[in-house]
Amino acid sequence: QAGLTQPPSVSKDLRQTATLTCTGNSNNVGHQGPVWLQQHQGHPPKLLSYRNNDRPSGISERFSASRSGNTASLTITGLQPEDEADYYCSAWDSSLNAWVFGGGTKLTVL
Amino acid sequence: EVQVVESGGGLVQPGGSLRLSCAGSGFGFSSHWMSWVRQAPGKGLEWVANIEDDGSQQYYVDSVKGRFTISRDNTKNSLYLHLNSLRVEDTAVYYCSPVDGPWGQGTLVTVSS
Repeated sequence: QAGLTQPPSVSKDLRQTATLTCTGNSNNVGHQGPVWLQQHQGHPPKLLSYRNNDRPSGISERFSASRSGNTASLTITGLQPEDEADYYCSAWDSSLNAWVFGGGTKLTVL
Repeated sequence: EVQVVESGGGLVQPGGSLRLSCAGSGFGFSSHWMSWVRQAPGKGLEWVANIEDDGSQQYYVDSVKGRFTISRDNTKNSLYLHLNSLRVEDTAVYYCSPVDGPWGQGTLVTVSS
């Protein structure tokens, strides 16, 4: 099963803005927006954004998700040291009846 | 509290079997499709299997078809994964989640002789 495409790494300066991308096809990202997950080293994933781009309770407004066609984005404003983590996108694939995942983006805050 | 709690992992020899369990609470477990997702050491997340909210249909990644079985008991808000004919490459932390919802701490499965 083919996965979603994410850049392996992104580096940004403290207090700057990072935009992470996630590309799929019309059966997954293009059909319905992905979820975004944050994972710190040694910890389980945490949901940052629902498929409709809403944030779960307790997630900072600095995290915002959007989608255009087959590409989705997660924008993180005012980068903080604690934002340094791996970020995964995952979308429901209507042709596979499965969740497909991106390979993850390692965000480094300089 | 919204949570899922996985259990049942451990060390098993190649060709062996395990049963993983997951208990969900606080989010309407019985109305969600549920998934098992795994993460091999140092690797990314990989979807393993899905089960519909009423348990009527199950879906698997190709690499586990015929070896793993996903099931659920909505009366107990519980999800299961039976792992048979285990291979070294099945070594991973296994997470139970609706994906679009809470994630637990996971349970580690190590397949080694």
